[in-house]
Amino acid sequence: GAGVSQSPSNKVTEKGKDVELRCDPISGHTALYWYRQSLGQGLEFLIYFQGNSAPDKSGLPSDRFSAERTGGSVSTLTIQRTQQEDSAVYLCASSRSGDRGRFFFGSGTRLTVV
Amino acid sequence: KQEVTQIPAALSVPEGENLVLNCSFTDSAIYNLQWFRQDPGKGLTSLLLIQSSQREQTSGRLNASLDKSSGRSTLYIAASQPGDSATYLCAGGLGGGADGLTFGKGTHLIIQP
Repeated sequence: GAGVSQSPSNKVTEKGKDVELRCDPISGHTALYWYRQSLGQGLEFLIYFQGNSAPDKSGLPSDRFSAERTGGSVSTLTIQRTQQEDSAVYLCASSRSGDRGRFFFGSGTRLTVV
Repeated sequence: KQEVTQIPAALSVPEGENLVLNCSFTDSAIYNLQWFRQDPGKGLTSLLLIQSSQREQTSGRLNASLDKSSGRSTLYIAASQPGDSATYLCAGGLGGGADGLTFGKGTHLIIQP
């Protein structure tokens, strides 16, 4: 596709359930980022993938959060045993050349934990 | 650690006015400075990217400047239109992983018709 695609666009889940969020970056972009945006807050960095290198997971808030990137393309962010404080918009971005290049964001997944 | 601050947090102006949004950052060793627009319920749209070796970038009615020595960037919007209403975010890029792109909290802009 022409842009970064995220699915689902909205997800409502019960507390304690696991959820998977998907990001399909722009073809050819080696860098992929996950951010979290909570109401009234700025963007919070979660995890960074660059090519085939080991991901930078330093932003993940707890061990309930994990992410994979298969074949250097599609990425999945998994949140296990969801809590109400996990409710936020999860944004994915890709870039051709990491932080020196322009970032392209998906429309995000709005996660609501009830 | 890089910190990015945007002032004002919210701004409302009549249609047609020229306006300036401000962004300041604490670490002058940035690789680039990016300005984004976010519409309600949407992701971020990249507006302008200024590399550290540049002083400004222009796109249509938008002009962004970068002054590394003072740790400031401004986004100038000329002849504002109601369609410009959105939240504008700036982000400083330090390069690499978690420190790569630090975002401000944004300026919520409303253009009154």
